[in-house]
Amino acid sequence: DVKVTQSSRYLVKRTGEKVFLECVQDMDHENMFWYRQDPGLGLRLIYFSYDVKMKEKGDIPEGYSVSREKKERFSLILESASTNQTSMYLCASSKLAGGREEQFFGPGTRLTVL
Amino acid sequence: DQQVKQNSPSLSVQEGRISILNCDYTNSMFDYFLWYKKYPAEGPTFLISISSIKDKNEDGRFTVFLNKSAKHLSLHIVPSQPGDSAVYFCAALFGNEKLTFGTGTRLTIIP
Repeated sequence: DVKVTQSSRYLVKRTGEKVFLECVQDMDHENMFWYRQDPGLGLRLIYFSYDVKMKEKGDIPEGYSVSREKKERFSLILESASTNQTSMYLCASSKLAGGREEQFFGPGTRLTVL
Repeated sequence: DQQVKQNSPSLSVQEGRISILNCDYTNSMFDYFLWYKKYPAEGPTFLISISSIKDKNEDGRFTVFLNKSAKHLSLHIVPSQPGDSAVYFCAALFGNEKLTFGTGTRLTIIP
């Protein structure tokens, strides 16, 4: 059974804190993605990675960075959290490059920045 | 600028009837479309897709229709079941680019 796991389901942080969101997949997928989901805006792509140590900006990369040191793990970093980064964060992975391949999502991390 | 729009944030349908979820897009370059379904506290799961060379794709109770001239696609669920209550996202892409998701429609099936 394919699985994408995220380190936390709920997280509360203070403005200015450095925040790490971890994502692990056990499907040996090449591609991993970070999205955020906000009411009325749907899912928006923050960053994605097609290979280890490789990263590409998505639609809204500002205020975020990522790290992919191992194939199965993709981390999203908020260098200095701000209240407008309060959101649901979803990690996904897919076997092949591009969006035609089904993406498998984790359960999400609801981040609140106070 | 929202290139993929789902204008109905919510929809309620009686169990056993047809559910129709709509999605409009503005980028005529999009050539592949997908629907994802999301339950609360879970990540989205892939439901069905369609290539722009087709106008219909069917999988069991789910059918997606594509009208390229109108830049419109719809998802039909027949018959609707209580387990279909979820948020549905349409998504689009062209070539091998990244997915662009719509804003989502919350479907509620009334028993």
